Amino acid sequence: EVQLVQSGAEVKKPGESLKISCKASGYTFTSYWIGWVRQMPGKGLEWMGIIYLGDSDARYSPSFQGQVTISADKSISTAYLQWSSLKASDTAMYYCANIITPSWFDPWGQGTLVTVSS
Amino acid sequence: QSVLTQPPSVSGAPGQRVTISCSGSSSNIGAGYDVHWYQQLPGTAPKLLIYGNTNRPSGVPDRFSGSKSGTSASLAITGLQAEDEADYYCQSYDSSLSGSYVFGTGTKVTVL
Repeated sequence: EVQLVQSGAEVKKPGESLKISCKASGYTFTSYWIGWVRQMPGKGLEWMGIIYLGDSDARYSPSFQGQVTISADKSISTAYLQWSSLKASDTAMYYCANIITPSWFDPWGQGTLVTVSS
Repeated sequence: QSVLTQPPSVSGAPGQRVTISCSGSSSNIGAGYDVHWYQQLPGTAPKLLIYGNTNRPSGVPDRFSGSKSGTSASLAITGLQAEDEADYYCQSYDSSLSGSYVFGTGTKVTVL
């Protein structure tokens, strides 16, 4: 059974950097796609981007291109979502999810709450 | 910005049938891309409810069913139960904007 476990909640100040993680386990194959999804407080789901763990091929939603960096370490089955300079508007819950090709998300990680406040 | 439109809320009494619509366009649902549905219970991560327009993952009750026609899709819940009170999202793929996964605006289901 595939499971995704995300890193814990973070509280940061505007301008700080941050990298959150998503560790995968239970795969019977060595390469797969992981996606990241943002949910701002009281709002809906927004797709941010995906990464292929096999070769770290990353693709971004136009809305998030240049705003975040998605990376991965295949050796430890972990995907990352990174910000170089956080803004208050980055405050949200961030979910990772396995992408069942071609197109659906299952399962999901438990979420990482990121709070950016001065 | 969501390109799949859902009603903000629907409600029904226990035992009733409710439906949630998901309206797209010719670059996503109308282009033949599959629609998937997720249930998000309060304070939890989304969970896959329907995949490939009509298929239920193992463990999802058969009270939940999906359909797709033209540029729209629907999720039906028959025999509504208190534990069905949650947010529901549709999801598909859009061939515009350099190709993107897209989610619906979300629908809150309230059990009266």
